[in-house]
Amino acid sequence: QKEVEQNSGPLSVPEGAIASLNCTYSDRGSQSFFWYRQYSGKSPELIMFIYSNGDKEDGRFTAQLNKASQYVSLLIRDSQPSDSATYLCAVFRDSSYKLIFGSGTRLLVRP
Amino acid sequence: AAGVIQSPRHLIKEKRETATLKCYPIPRHDTVYWYQQGPGQDPQFLISFYEKMQSDKGSIPDRFSAQQFSDYHSELNMSSLELGDSALYFCASSLGLAAFANTGELFFGEGSRLTVL
Repeated sequence: QKEVEQNSGPLSVPEGAIASLNCTYSDRGSQSFFWYRQYSGKSPELIMFIYSNGDKEDGRFTAQLNKASQYVSLLIRDSQPSDSATYLCAVFRDSSYKLIFGSGTRLLVRP
Repeated sequence: AAGVIQSPRHLIKEKRETATLKCYPIPRHDTVYWYQQGPGQDPQFLISFYEKMQSDKGSIPDRFSAQQFSDYHSELNMSSLELGDSALYFCASSLGLAAFANTGELFFGEGSRLTVL
C-alpha cells in the first residue's frame, strides 16, 4: 500500500462543473498536505496547501482536510478546460522533512 | 521573481554514460530536494540537502551521487546510466528543512529531462 493514495482517473467533468479530487494517507504523523497541478512534461505547480482540519478556500479551489479520517480533498469550482491536468496530492512528514507524493489523478474538463 | 533554475533542460545520453544535472535554488533558500519522475509515475524522492549537508536519502541508486555547494546550488551525478533512468528530474528549494510545512513555500524547477538510449 502506497503511503499516499489517489484514484488515477481520469476524472471527466463538464466545463463549469465542480471537480472533486480525493486523497488518503497512511501516516498519522503527517503534518501538512499539498495539492499540486502538473501539466504533461511540466513541473508541479502548487495549487493549495493545508495543515489544519477543515476547509481552506482560494479562489475556485477549496482544500478539505480530515486528519481523523486521514483524508484530504480538493474541490475545483467552475471547472475550466485549462484545469485539465494531473493533480498530485503530497504529504509532509516532519519525521523525515520531505514530501511524499501520490500517483496523481488525471482531470479532464470537457468544453 | 527568481525561481529554481535547472540545467540542462534536456539531456540525451547513451547507456553506461555519465550525466550531471544542476539545480540553482531560489536566492536565500538553503534546502534542496531532488525528485525523479518516470513516464506516468509520481515524483519519487531521491535526496535532499540542508545547509550543504545531506539531510535525507530516498530511493536513489548507488550509481547516483549528489552534493550541495557553498553557494547552495546542487548537482546530481548519475553514472553507468541505464534505460530506466530516463525520466524528468525535478529540483525543489525551500528556506529551511521544515519551514515549508507551515508556509507551503516549496518551489519546483522546470525539470531536466534525461533520455537514455
